[in-house]
Amino acid sequence: QKEVEQNSGPLSVPEGAIASLNCTYSDRVSQSFFWYRQYSGKSPELIMSIYSNGDKEDGRFTAQLNKASQYVSLLIRDSQPSDSATYLCAVKINGWTQGGSEKLVFGKGTKLTVNP
Amino acid sequence: DAGVIQSPRHEVTEMGQEVTLRCKPISGHNSLFWYRQTMMRGLELLIYFNNNVPIDDSGMPEDRFSAKMPNASFSTLKIQPSEPRDSAVYFCASSPGLATDTQYFGPGTRLTVL
Repeated sequence: QKEVEQNSGPLSVPEGAIASLNCTYSDRVSQSFFWYRQYSGKSPELIMSIYSNGDKEDGRFTAQLNKASQYVSLLIRDSQPSDSATYLCAVKINGWTQGGSEKLVFGKGTKLTVNP
Repeated sequence: DAGVIQSPRHEVTEMGQEVTLRCKPISGHNSLFWYRQTMMRGLELLIYFNNNVPIDDSGMPEDRFSAKMPNASFSTLKIQPSEPRDSAVYFCASSPGLATDTQYFGPGTRLTVL
């Protein structure tokens, strides 16, 4: 099982709808979770972080975390065409046992298209 | 403030040639990361420096890849010799503290190896 998995999409929603993006992870002890947005041809930028079970809201964005199910999601309310991008889920993992370090592992991303 | 600066933005080279990618992190940031992004594998961490010291190079694919950070304001990623499978977008990112602080990404270098 890959460390961080996302549906690649594409996910297409009409303008004004709620877009729901999902992510699962394999490391049960992970404590920090992030959502990055990447526009086509651009670099990723952080939009949300979440550390505790439950919901965290920031404007039109809501991150949801369920550690028991190893599941994190991002909801975008009132979707706009400007939200069209690829959304990357990132999870902090402990890589020390593999000769690495604590670091972020990214999913491959879900491409979202919001249609006017 | 200037963000993370990378050069060149695009690089086209032939198989077997040496490629050097450059990065200037945000001033005052203590951690620097090199990532590679492809459609097949997504965004992968290659190497991570903290206070100019390599902390984790477990993602460096093989000996053809090397990275240095001679000072707090400059890092290089070198590929020698380059191969077509190295074609990807290479991102440099920096963060104020540790790996799991907010990471700020540069614009990336699109590398094409013919």
